[in-house]
Amino acid sequence: AQRVTQPEKLLSVFKGAPVELKCNYSYSGSPELFWYVQYSRQRLQLLLRHISRESIKGFTADLNKGETSFHLKKPFAQEEDSAMYYCALRGDNFNKFYFGSGTKLNVKP
Amino acid sequence: DGGITQSPKYLFRKEGQNVTLSCEQNLNHDAMYWYRQDPGQGLRLIYYSQIVNDFQKGDIAEGYSVSREKKESFPLTVTSAQKNPTAFYLCASKSTGGLEQYFGPGTRLTVT
Repeated sequence: AQRVTQPEKLLSVFKGAPVELKCNYSYSGSPELFWYVQYSRQRLQLLLRHISRESIKGFTADLNKGETSFHLKKPFAQEEDSAMYYCALRGDNFNKFYFGSGTKLNVKP
Repeated sequence: DGGITQSPKYLFRKEGQNVTLSCEQNLNHDAMYWYRQDPGQGLRLIYYSQIVNDFQKGDIAEGYSVSREKKESFPLTVTSAQKNPTAFYLCASKSTGGLEQYFGPGTRLTVT
């Protein structure tokens, strides 16, 4: 069964500190993974996807199939990064997605 | 900020009443989704539709119903059978073959 786990409900860091939001998944096939972000009073939106191997707003995420992880990282956190972050997996059904429980990132000045 | 819209933003109902939440998109997307967002539980899939006149149950479909009579519309009815209906409801859509889901602004339903 497909499942996404985000172990941290809340992560607080100071501005300029590195940040890592953890995401682990269970899936028997070749996974497609995503990070979505929800800023205060804004819609949930796609941040990045593993297939693109991109860096968005300084964030990167590497798929580690051995550890079944897709952690989101940024070397120097900014206050505007404060938001709710969701990790998501697309399963066997190309139109069905599984979301983690979310991690709230709070970047303190 | 068009694309996908949900109305109303806030909805209040008395227990025992059915209520329908609206979701409309003008993105020409085939797939549409309804999620429920609760604190600490993330997004849970209620129903999704891959094409007009077709829909599938998600993980928490009990007490909900949907219809997909038009490509651009995917209304969700929260019935009186839903034991804990107070929540934030998100609608999303996706193009066929696309990877990204586009989300609406959400509807906060309060049932008392």
